[in-house]
Amino acid sequence: DAKTTQPTSMDCAEGRAANLPCNHSTISGNEYVYWYRQIHSQGPQYIIHGLKNNETNEMASLIITEDRKSSTLILPHATLRDTAVYYCIVSNQAGTALIFGKGTTLSVSS
Amino acid sequence: DVKVTQSSRYLVKRTGEKVFLECVQDMDHENMFWYRQDPGLGLRLIYFSYDVKMKEKGDIPEGYSVSREKKERFSLILESASTNQTSMYLCASRLRENGHNEQFFGPGTRLTVL
Repeated sequence: DAKTTQPTSMDCAEGRAANLPCNHSTISGNEYVYWYRQIHSQGPQYIIHGLKNNETNEMASLIITEDRKSSTLILPHATLRDTAVYYCIVSNQAGTALIFGKGTTLSVSS
Repeated sequence: DVKVTQSSRYLVKRTGEKVFLECVQDMDHENMFWYRQDPGLGLRLIYFSYDVKMKEKGDIPEGYSVSREKKERFSLILESASTNQTSMYLCASRLRENGHNEQFFGPGTRLTVL
């Protein structure tokens, strides 16, 4: 699986949009971009994934650049409960393990 | 909602004990996984199972074994616990048919080996 690079930490004010970037410059054509988050003392939670088109679900939006070398996860209206470590992972459909890097620690404050 | 449960949130065992960590999922998923999570090392795959009675070694299987006798249950066994197995253990499951790597995780078991 390709390697990803994320900022170590980010801050966001409650109610504002949180934009979390991820670089995956060595992604190959059959690899998807997945986002998970881990709230303190809980297991990771799937958020969203995409191949090349932008995706949106009830939790977040995923914007993937045209060259697929980077992406941005958008939480449109961050709440205190969104404080967590966010992981950007690249994986193909046949992949087994998810390779979690260090992720971005997002702190949402009031 | 998919639910993955693990038998204990916290567990304290002594060196040399045999330890069983149980994981149960209620969504008829074929694939199940065991990871451990350590500070600075992220999540590492110990074992996974594609289906009942099937198992594959992950990246760090030494000192562990697994059992998958029923589809909903995947057990991780520490044959003789050692202090370097003190860690957070996470179980996950995945529906194979959708072809995507969307894994559902349990809450984790924090194991301390004294």
